[in-house]
Amino acid sequence: GAGVSQTPSNKVTEKGKYVELRCDPISGHTALYWYRQSLGQGPEFLIYFQGTGAADDSGLPNDRFFAVRPEGSVSTLKIQRTERGDSAVYLCASSLVSNSPLHFGNGTRLTVT
Amino acid sequence: DQQVKQNSPSLSVQEGRISILNCDYTNSMFDYFLWYKKYPAEGPTFLISISSIKDKNEDGRFTVFLNKSAKHLSLHIVPSQPGDSAVYFCAASAILSAGNMLTFGGGTRLMVKP
Repeated sequence: GAGVSQTPSNKVTEKGKYVELRCDPISGHTALYWYRQSLGQGPEFLIYFQGTGAADDSGLPNDRFFAVRPEGSVSTLKIQRTERGDSAVYLCASSLVSNSPLHFGNGTRLTVT
Repeated sequence: DQQVKQNSPSLSVQEGRISILNCDYTNSMFDYFLWYKKYPAEGPTFLISISSIKDKNEDGRFTVFLNKSAKHLSLHIVPSQPGDSAVYFCAASAILSAGNMLTFGGGTRLMVKP
């Protein structure tokens, strides 16, 4: 596809479970970002990859959150021991190079019951 | 502490009139500003940007104004169309920071009435 693809579009899980959210960026985009948007708020930065490495993970709220991008393309955001407060829309974005406008996917809506 | 604020959660405008969306920021290190538009169940879409060396940038019906001394920017849409109805996010970054970490405001829901 031409845009950033995120799967699943919706995920419902029970408190304490582990979840993985996938992001497939635009082909050729070297920079990849994860953001989280809670209800009624703007997106909040979580982590930024340049190639395979996490260049800035200062937005990850705690050590239950982890993200990887092993081949410099697809990225997976992993959340361990989910809590109800983790419920939000998780947005992935990519850009051709850092400091160019971000292209967002449609997000994964995570609901922790 | 919100570094980017959009104080109006919603705005209603008649079709054909001007829509003005406002944004304030507190971090003086911000030097690049963007507006994103978001429809329900979709991700934000880039609309227009401005760097701090300019005070105005225009793209068709959309114009962004930047007042650095007041740490204020605004997005003007004229004429407004029903298809412009969406949530608009203001975002800011410091160009010299690593990557393009954007700090977003809370959004303003624009409703354009036919």
